[in-house]
Amino acid sequence: GDSVTQMEGPVTLSEEAFLTINCTYTATGYPSLFWYVQYPGEGLQLLLKATKADDKGSNKGFEATYRKETTSFHLEKGSVQVSDSAVYFCALTENTGGFKTIFGAGTRLFVKA
Amino acid sequence: DTAVSQTPKYLVTQMGNDKSIKCEQNLGHDTMYWYKQDSKKFLKIMFSYNNKELIINETVPNRFSPKSPDKAHLNLHINSLELGDSAVYFCASSRSRPGTQTYEQYFGPGTRLTVT
Repeated sequence: GDSVTQMEGPVTLSEEAFLTINCTYTATGYPSLFWYVQYPGEGLQLLLKATKADDKGSNKGFEATYRKETTSFHLEKGSVQVSDSAVYFCALTENTGGFKTIFGAGTRLFVKA
Repeated sequence: DTAVSQTPKYLVTQMGNDKSIKCEQNLGHDTMYWYKQDSKKFLKIMFSYNNKELIINETVPNRFSPKSPDKAHLNLHINSLELGDSAVYFCASSRSRPGTQTYEQYFGPGTRLTVT
C-alpha cells in the first residue's frame, strides 16, 4: 500500500539556520504531495503542495519539489524563525479520485532564539 | 468565520460513558473526515464521508459511529469509552472530483478527549 516516511524528530535549530526535513513516499499511482504544519494546540493547515513531477510548492519561505525519480518531497527553508516551531507532516493523496490521504509520522521542529 | 469548527474543544469523561463530538464546515466542501491523533502526534484516518455517503471506514472499533446529517456536518459518537480512546480527534473537509483529483484538506481545531 501507499506510505510516507519522514525523518524522525525532534529537529532543533537556531534562528536563521537552514532547514531540511526529508520525506519519501511509495505509491502505486501518481499522487499529489502535501506538507501540512501543526502549531501547538491547533489543527493541521496546508503549508504547500505539488501535483505533478518537478512541480515546486512554496509558501512562507518554505519550498518542496516533487521528485518522481527519487520519490521524494523534501521540505526546505533558508532561514528559520522561532515562529516556525511546529510539527510538520508530509502527506500524499492518489490522483485517482481516492479520498484517502496518507500522512507521515510528523517531524517536530524547535527553533531557538 | 471559522471554516471547520468542532465542539467541544475539551472533553473529560469516565470509562464506560457515551459521548459525541460535532463538526461543521462552511466551505461548501463535499467530503469530510475524522482523524485520531495520539500522544506522539501520529495521525490516523478513521472515517470519511463524501456527499453524506460513507467511503472510508478504517479498522476502528464499532463503538465509534459517525453520522453525516448533511454535507456540512459530520458527527462522531463513541459508546462505552475506554482509556485507550484518549486522544485528540480532528475533523477535516475537502473538495473532491471523483476520478480525478482530491484537493487539500482543511482541519478543525481538534477535540481533546480524556477518559479517566
